[in-house]
Amino acid sequence: DAGVTQSPTHLIKTRGQQVTLRCSPKSGHDTVSWYQQALGQGPQFIFQYYEEEERQRGNFPDRFSGHQFPNYSSELNVNALLLGDSALYLCASSFGGIYGYTFGSGTRLTVV
Amino acid sequence: EDKVVQSPLSLVVHEGDTVTLNCSYEVTNFRSLLWYKQEKKAPTFLFMLTSSGIEKKSGRLSSILDKKELFSILNITATQTGDSAIYLCAVNGGNQFYFGTGTSLTVIP
Repeated sequence: DAGVTQSPTHLIKTRGQQVTLRCSPKSGHDTVSWYQQALGQGPQFIFQYYEEEERQRGNFPDRFSGHQFPNYSSELNVNALLLGDSALYLCASSFGGIYGYTFGSGTRLTVV
Repeated sequence: EDKVVQSPLSLVVHEGDTVTLNCSYEVTNFRSLLWYKQEKKAPTFLFMLTSSGIEKKSGRLSSILDKKELFSILNITATQTGDSAIYLCAVNGGNQFYFGTGTSLTVIP
């Protein structure tokens, strides 16, 4: 039973570029949440997707957007990258947003 | 503003010591409190607490929640080098989890 898978594992982008990160939830899960974890910090909630809709959003600018597909997988898009966007981006899937909350291994994004 | 505060921020102990990690919270619509261990990337689940005063235990790790005083503790007895990690506390306040900054634990032989 596959857990939460994220791709790519590492990514280096230039300031001003755009990036897309991907997440496949654990089998049986229908909700995907995205987090940004800067070095030395706890994960910060970006947004959550359920039934292909953004259900809740944290305190992140509109440069951060997402999408959920009918198979429950999700993408996180970040436009106009800033150096401060460098972080580990974690995806967590769950059933109903609460049950079986499981994290993927994350994507390490470096903006230069 | 909803928040979760963990203390201490970092801790260095010797193998065999016992440690207590603290998590206090102010979160509306509290549903549960979770502890995670993060070694390199993905946080791995340790405990979920929903009721006050009921200790959850797994091997050398245990945790308890006080919903009146709004805090939880995570205890690790007879620490081992493999316990070195960041321990994250997260509170479920509806559709999102609020995380603390974590406690970085280093266990030296």
